[in-house]
Amino acid sequence: SQQGEEDPQALSIQEGENATMNCSYKTSINNLQWYRQNSGRGLVHLILIRSNEREKHSGRLRVTLDTSKKSSSLLITASRAADTASYFCATRQGNKLVFGAGTILRVKS
Amino acid sequence: GAVVSQHPSWVICKSGTSVKIECRSLDFQATTMFWYRQFPKQSLMLMATSNEGSKATYEQGVEKDKFLINHASLTLSTLTVTSAHPEDSSFYICSARRTEGVYNEQFFGPGTRLTVL
Repeated sequence: SQQGEEDPQALSIQEGENATMNCSYKTSINNLQWYRQNSGRGLVHLILIRSNEREKHSGRLRVTLDTSKKSSSLLITASRAADTASYFCATRQGNKLVFGAGTILRVKS
Repeated sequence: GAVVSQHPSWVICKSGTSVKIECRSLDFQATTMFWYRQFPKQSLMLMATSNEGSKATYEQGVEKDKFLINHASLTLSTLTVTSAHPEDSSFYICSARRTEGVYNEQFFGPGTRLTVL
């Protein structure tokens, strides 16, 4: 299968709450990336974490990586309605960037 | 950041016609471009890898005669959906890989919504 798995598949929270999304992958990696996609739009690159990093921050985003478990998590703190989107993790397999199944996040105001 | 454009952004066509989608890297050269397909509420599935000046490499299950890819220059790749049918209706996203830099960054176009009637 091309895809890793992400959970939850869908997440609905209130504005101001934190949102956590998880991603698992199958192969060894050099890095893992997270992307956001607003409905019907292209992808926006959020953050890249290298295999020798355990945690990385960017604004309200916090990404963790556990290479022993082949998993990563994306935490969005103090969520806003504008964070409503689909979120995908992606890993590189050879020349290809392969995406997880994605989490649909809805932030209610 | 680098910009990738797609044209058209959306297209509606009749069953049996062919549709061409263009993908351009606007401010960098891309020896490799990728074409993805995305069905509603699903993830991006890689269809093929397009290499400038050579034949595209298709993923398993993707018909190369139906989805023609041409990467004639370092800034342009085209995807032609031949004899389109309603089941080809999808969101097609291209991506261009910039080889300069440490991580071989990959940039995504805004996508093309294809609806086949």
